Amino acid sequence: EIVLTQSPATLSLSPGERATLSCRASQSVSTYLAWYQQKRGQAPRLVIYGASNRATGISARFSGSGSGTEFTLTISSLEPEDFALYYCHQHSNWPLTFGGGTQVEI
Amino acid sequence: EVQLLESGGRLVQPGGSLRLSCTASGFAYGNFAMTWVRQAPGKGLEWVASIGGGGGNPFYADSVKGRFTISRVNSRDTLYLQINSLRADDTAVYFCAKCAGYHPEHHFDSWGQGTLVTVSS
Repeated sequence: EIVLTQSPATLSLSPGERATLSCRASQSVSTYLAWYQQKRGQAPRLVIYGASNRATGISARFSGSGSGTEFTLTISSLEPEDFALYYCHQHSNWPLTFGGGTQVEI
Repeated sequence: EVQLLESGGRLVQPGGSLRLSCTASGFAYGNFAMTWVRQAPGKGLEWVASIGGGGGNPFYADSVKGRFTISRVNSRDTLYLQINSLRADDTAVYFCAKCAGYHPEHHFDSWGQGTLVTVSS
């Protein structure tokens, strides 16, 4: 099983600041890596797929990078609606796995 | 607009069974694989099971293999999850999600709002 380790667990920032979230895979997943945003009481929402492609309707302030085992989600300038929980997910190998999440808080 | 609506979650006793449903609309259902993901209270996301667009190639997490069965009826645009031998650690919100392709090895591009399964005596 591929283990995804997200860091940090919590990121405390202010609106307008830059957020950098990390996801490390225990073995290569190529670019079969997605990021999801989840707000309290809501379903997850796709943000980035293929490691670096923004999903439909996602603001350009979100960007993803990386391949192999190291991935980054960057939010260039935090808006109030961006404060949420973010999960990375690999679909390179079965079983599919998620990271433990990074909480972006004010 | 893609819509996924889960139903069937409720309070069940340990050892009991349940069938969850997910009704889809807004896309060509049979052309896409589907998935169930669950989230225990206060915990992260856990992939449960996936099935290809044609109903073949089901995959299961080890934690549910042999107890859960994923299936779909494309003529009804509906996904199912049959859950047997329920345990306390199956308590979670169960989300259905649409995969981005016909085969299940894709990311999930749309999610339902989830249905809560509570296992308790």
